[in-house]
Amino acid sequence: KAGVTQTPRYLIKTRGQQVTLSCSPISGHRSVSWYQQTPGQGLQFLFEYFSETQRNKGNFPGRFSGRQFSNSRSEMNVSTLELGDSALYLCASSLDRGRTEAFFGQGTRLTVV
Amino acid sequence: AQSVTQPDIHITVSEGASLELRCNYSYGATPYLFWYVQSPGQGLQLLLKYFSGDTLVQGIKGFEAEFKRSQSSFNLRKPSVHWSDAAEYFCAVGERIQGAQKLVFGQGTRLTINP
Repeated sequence: KAGVTQTPRYLIKTRGQQVTLSCSPISGHRSVSWYQQTPGQGLQFLFEYFSETQRNKGNFPGRFSGRQFSNSRSEMNVSTLELGDSALYLCASSLDRGRTEAFFGQGTRLTVV
Repeated sequence: AQSVTQPDIHITVSEGASLELRCNYSYGATPYLFWYVQSPGQGLQLLLKYFSGDTLVQGIKGFEAEFKRSQSSFNLRKPSVHWSDAAEYFCAVGERIQGAQKLVFGQGTRLTINP
């Protein structure tokens, strides 16, 4: 079974631009969560999607948004990029909501210049 | 708010030595606990999990962890480390909100292996 696939692996964007990251979960998994990892703040929860609905959102500004498609694939979007948005963005897929383990993708390394 | 503390930012051990990485959590209900490992530039790989039952859980790569409710701890152990174990290790608690679960991570412990 294929793991969680995130594309692209690396991105360089300019301040003020917007970016879209993609995540394909493990086949059969219906829950997709996104996390931001930075040296200063560590791993922080962004949001979780289940059945195309955002169920849970972390403490991030509205510039961070996402969506989930009917095949469970998910995208996250960051608008009006700031230098502080430079981070590793990790996607995690779970079989269902609640008491299940999360499996992570390789991440997308976003650099904002 | 739930929290996870990994007291050791960096640990160095010799190859073949035993390892224990500490993790303390703060959570009101019965916690779901996880250990993940991350190699440089990579994502997180799940080592093991605790949901309920036996407090000593076995994971992949020879790792185990013990849940101690009285100490709010979930320490990770390995009897003999290998050079390939050098990586960053994250402890996490599953926080349940409206039926969903989000992971709250510790700051991580970087493990260096001396040959």
